[in-house]
Formats: sequence, C-alpha cells, structure tokens
Amino acid sequence: EVQVVESGGNLVQPGGSLRLSCAASGFIFSNNWMSWVRQAPGKGLEWVANIKQDGSEKYYVDSVKGRFTISRDNAKNSLYLQMNSLRAEDTAVYYCATGGTTWGHWGQGTLVTVSS
Amino acid sequence: QSALTQPASVSGSPGQSITISCTGTSSDVGGYNYVSWYQQYPGKAPKLMIYEVTNRPSGVPDRFSGSKSGNTASLTITGLQAEDEADYYCSSYTNSNTRVFGGGTKLTVL
Repeated sequence: EVQVVESGGNLVQPGGSLRLSCAASGFIFSNNWMSWVRQAPGKGLEWVANIKQDGSEKYYVDSVKGRFTISRDNAKNSLYLQMNSLRAEDTAVYYCATGGTTWGHWGQGTLVTVSS
Repeated sequence: QSALTQPASVSGSPGQSITISCTGTSSDVGGYNYVSWYQQYPGKAPKLMIYEVTNRPSGVPDRFSGSKSGNTASLTITGLQAEDEADYYCSSYTNSNTRVFGGGTKLTVL
C-alpha cells in the first residue's frame, strides 16, 4: 500500500524557518517525481514545489522562490521542504504527494502556522 | 501563475448530472493534456479522480468523466449520489513548468 506521511509542522514566528519531512513507503520512491501542495485555512489548494526522481530538476511557485527549497533522499525514501523567511501567508496545511503533475497519493498533511 | 477559474458552487439532485468547468489559457489548460481533477472532503486529503483530461484511476466510479475544449476543461458526474458532495479542484501543467490549481468548486447534493 502506498503511504506518504508528513511531519515537521509547527507554530513559528514570522521570519523563522521550518523543515518539513515526508516519509514514503509502498512504492519505488526513486522512480517518482514528488511534490508539495499546501492549503491555507478555509482556502483552496496551491501547488508549492516539485522535484524530479534524481533531484536534478526542481520547480517552485513564484511566491516561495528563494525562500523554500525542496529536496529528497532516495536512500531514505524521504522528501523534504526547507522553509525560510516564513510569512503569515505561508500558514497552511502542507501535503506531500506522489507525482510531479498528477498527484496520485497524498499524505494527511502537516500544519504550519506562522504567527507571533 | 494565475489560478484556473472554477465556479464557486454547483448543486444537483440525486440521480442528476452536473458539470464543473475549469477555465485557463493556452499557456496551461489549452496547451497541454495534463489536466487533473481532485475530490476533497472537509478535513481530508484530496483524492485523484481524473488525470490527463479524461483518464480515471482504478477505483474511481465511471460516473466521473473528464473532457476538454479549448482552454476549458470539465468534470461531469452522472447519477449524482449523496457521497459526491465535496469540494472539487482542477489542476494543470503550465508552459513555465509550474502547476496551477483552480479555486475549487463546492458540490452540494440537494
């Protein structure tokens, strides 16, 4: 069974940093693009970033470019999102999802709250 | 990276058919066959319902179908059931190698 489980969400002050992790199992992680998608409270879905199988290509939504970094460790079947210079508008549930364009499997999400 | 345009809400009675539209531009929906649709219940993770415009993952009822004409994609649900009441989101690949979602549509089964 395919599973992706996010962790690392927390309350952080504006300007702070946070690293999200996503543990994958039940499929060949190294064969798949992976993505982060977020959803602000009461709002719609927003694609954040994705990364190619070998990490050689990474793409970001404009609003996080230069602040967020997506990475992966295929030996550990893990995906990461390093978030720096966090802003109030980054407050959201962050989902890890399999795929780069079509997201077939999603985690339960981890909540990031940016507030003083 | 403007969001795709979806109606905020649609409704229908059990057994009826509804269609949700998703309008973009030639830089996203109209330019590529990489439109997908997701169903989301409150407090739950999204679920893939349609991918690459018309394809249904295994396990998704054939009451759900997708199509595209020009810059507008559509999700049609036939034989509406109470369990179909949820939020629905479209997404598309874009020519800047990013991805974009629609604003979401709340489906109410009357």
